[in-house]
Amino acid sequence: VQLVQSGAEVQKPGASVKVSCKASGYTFTDYYIHWVRQAPGQSLEWMGWINPSSGGTTYAQKFQGRVTLTSDTSINTVDMELRRLRIDDTAVYYCARVRHFGSGIVDYWGQGTLVTVSS
Amino acid sequence: DIVLTQTPLSLSVTPGQPASISCKSSQSLLQTDGKTYLYWYLQKPGQSPQLLIYEVSNRFSGVPDRFSGSGSGTDFTLKISRVEAEDVGVYYCMQSKQLFTFGPGTKVDIK
Repeated sequence: VQLVQSGAEVQKPGASVKVSCKASGYTFTDYYIHWVRQAPGQSLEWMGWINPSSGGTTYAQKFQGRVTLTSDTSINTVDMELRRLRIDDTAVYYCARVRHFGSGIVDYWGQGTLVTVSS
Repeated sequence: DIVLTQTPLSLSVTPGQPASISCKSSQSLLQTDGKTYLYWYLQKPGQSPQLLIYEVSNRFSGVPDRFSGSGSGTDFTLKISRVEAEDVGVYYCMQSKQLFTFGPGTKVDIK
């Protein structure tokens, strides 16, 4: 099992960023994909999840309207797009796999993608 | 929203000695299905987090038995019976009763 994320990004305030998470080694549609971010020196912050099978999503209230998760079952990839970037969106963004709805058992994580927002 | 607090926020431990971390929730994490959705994760330096304990007290696959979890309702504890050098990192409690929330983390290092 692997979750391989796209590379580091540098964006300006107000721009958008898209981070990809490519899954392999398991049946892609059997697991939810969650996104969690970690600002420098800070705790982990959950952003949302997607059911790759149905495309259904749930987002943390903090990110509603700014984040969109999409899945492409033809290439086993989930994308996370964050819009209207702010300086404090600078963080490492992780995708993570969860088997069951409502479960907090994350058995595999991506390697993380550093997104830097700077003018 | 459910808020998780952890104490202490940092811990320096002599190898071979025990360690204990507390996690308190602003609401009960007992779900109507009878399960309590409290987890413990360890993030080693420079790595992604890894699951240690799920649903309060169940060790995840491959986790050494020196790690144990206990608690109920709103109060939970992670214990390491004998700390080893490889246990350094930041320990997070997490809940999934209402979406996901993480605690602030407890940084553990070796004396």
